[in-house]
This record gives sequence, structure tokens and C-alpha cells, in this order.
Amino acid sequence: GQQVMQIPQYQHVQEGEDFTTYCNSSTTLSNIQWYKQRPGGHPVFLIQLVKSGEVKKQKRLTFQFGEAKKNSSLHITATQTTDVGTYFCAVSGGGADGLTFGKGTHLIIQP
Amino acid sequence: NAGVTQTPKFRILKIGQSMTLQCAQDMNHNYMYWYRQDPGMGLKLIYYSVGAGITDKGEVPNGYNVSRSTTEDFPLRLELAAPSQTSVYFCASSYSIGVPWDGYTFGSGTRLTVV
Repeated sequence: GQQVMQIPQYQHVQEGEDFTTYCNSSTTLSNIQWYKQRPGGHPVFLIQLVKSGEVKKQKRLTFQFGEAKKNSSLHITATQTTDVGTYFCAVSGGGADGLTFGKGTHLIIQP
Repeated sequence: NAGVTQTPKFRILKIGQSMTLQCAQDMNHNYMYWYRQDPGMGLKLIYYSVGAGITDKGEVPNGYNVSRSTTEDFPLRLELAAPSQTSVYFCASSYSIGVPWDGYTFGSGTRLTVV
């Protein structure tokens, strides 16, 4: 099935600094989703990217899908304590057989 | 509208015991999934279902069984629990898999410890 590598595994930032996590695949992806999981919580869907070169924004979050549809990134501008958690990318094979999740990037914010 | 409800939230099992993790959704979603998440790791697919009466194996199905007798319920059965099954189990559901898509809705999870 599809495999995705997500980096970095951990990211420590000072509150107010920016944060970026990357998701890379060796194969072309049909689409990619991003999820956020707060400590002790469950994953929550953030967004889906479908088109080559697509850029979507949600307030301070910017999501990009690479031109070759093999990589994606999530960028948070001016982090806040509410951004703490693990950010996962997830990809599908195009069918109903479930998403494959990356290992996630743990965002730790120091006040 | 409760979304996806998982019970129990926590459970401690002894090696060799069995249990059923319950999952119910009230959103009339066709697609349902069971994932496990080990500490600090991503989620691995155990089983999935595309509708009532239809189930299929995911990446890590050994030691587990599922059934889908109704659209709403998708229980996960652990037989002969082993320490390797200590994990957090998430049930998820989805209305569709096409585009556009609102992603999976996850339950709050069951934290299982096998001792």
C-alpha cells in the first residue's frame, strides 16, 4: 500500500515562532489529508488536498500539495499554545481500504 | 448527534482474556474503520467495512475480529489478549471516500492495557 514519511518527528518552538511539518511519498498521490491530535485526544480532520500545487489556508495554517503530488506541507504561522499536539498526514490508495497515516510530527510549544 | 461513540474508554485485560470494543456512529456513514495507535506512533489499520455485512482486513488484523451487522455498529473483538495488543484503539467512520471529502470522524478511543 501507500507509504508516507513525515518529518520532523518532534519540533520544539517558542510561542510565536513558525512551525512546518513535511510529508513525502515515493509515489504519486491521488490526494492527501491532514489531521491534528491533541495530547490524550483523538485525530481531527483538518483538510484534504487534491490538485497539483494546491495551497489552502485556514487562519494561521497553510497547507500545500507539491507540483508532482509526491509531497505536502503544513505551516503554522506564529504558533500559540492551542497548536500543541501531533499533526498527521494521511494518504489513500483511492479506494475504500482505509487511509495510511504518517508517524506524525509532535509540536511542543515553550511559552 | 453524538458522532462516533466508543466504549469502554479504558480497560485492563489479563493475558489470554477476550473482550469486545464497541463502536457506534449515528451519522449514517457507510465506511467504518478500526485503527490502533501505539505510544508516539501513527495509526495502523486493523479492519475496515464498506457497509453492513462487508468487512475486510487492514494492515494488522492478526488477533482481532470484526462484524458489521448494521450500518451503525462496528465492534472489534480481541481473542486471547497478548501484551502486544496494549494500545489505544480508535474507531473512525466516513460518509464517502470521494472528492470533495470531509475526512474521517474518529471516536475518543479505548485505552487497552494487557498484563
